[in-house]
Amino acid sequence: SAVISQKPSRDICQRGTSLTIQCQVDSQVTMMFWYRQQPGQSLTLIATANQGSEATYESGFVIDKFPISRPNLTFSTLTVSNMSPEDSSIYLCSVKQGFDGYTFGSGTRLTVV
Amino acid sequence: QQQVKQSPQSLIVQKGGISIINCAYENTAFDYFPWYQQFPGKGPALLIAIRPDVSEKKEGRFTISFNKSAKQFSLHIMDSQPGDSATYFCAATRGDFGNEKLTFGTGTRLTIIP
Repeated sequence: SAVISQKPSRDICQRGTSLTIQCQVDSQVTMMFWYRQQPGQSLTLIATANQGSEATYESGFVIDKFPISRPNLTFSTLTVSNMSPEDSSIYLCSVKQGFDGYTFGSGTRLTVV
Repeated sequence: QQQVKQSPQSLIVQKGGISIINCAYENTAFDYFPWYQQFPGKGPALLIAIRPDVSEKKEGRFTISFNKSAKQFSLHIMDSQPGDSATYFCAATRGDFGNEKLTFGTGTRLTIIP
């Protein structure tokens, strides 16, 4: 299965600023996903990012707040813009390989103060 | 709309016992049902998965039971060990192009006590 490197692993940010999270995969993948996991909660899909096309956002998430880039088949970034304390969460990237393989990164633990 | 319901929210089992976590889904188009294990500070890791054409799948101490007519599936952990203490998520997805996103259950925090 794919190995995902996610950076940074954690950060503390001031409200009103932006943070860009990087997701690097050790092999080429078509589909990448960005999730949010609030403390003690389940995973909520933010958007699906396919190389060469615009990201598809889930209900409740908008591009202005969570812009995503997918410049090639091994890399993606998620930016959390104009942050507020409510954005404090764990952000995870995930990739799909083949029909069954969904692999997750270790996540970025974001605290907004 | 919560498409995958998971219970219990938390579970305490004695070492050597059987841990059972249940999930129910609504969308009959789902055709892939994985279970994920997550330790604190880590991303979810695939534990075991099943498709609706079989009623049971076993891998070591972990077994998925699947009831298509009831739209339910469950994870059984036999001979539970303290190292199994983690949060478990069931999930479901469709396999067709454009519908590959995973829908997760709410999670079960499992604690194995000596």
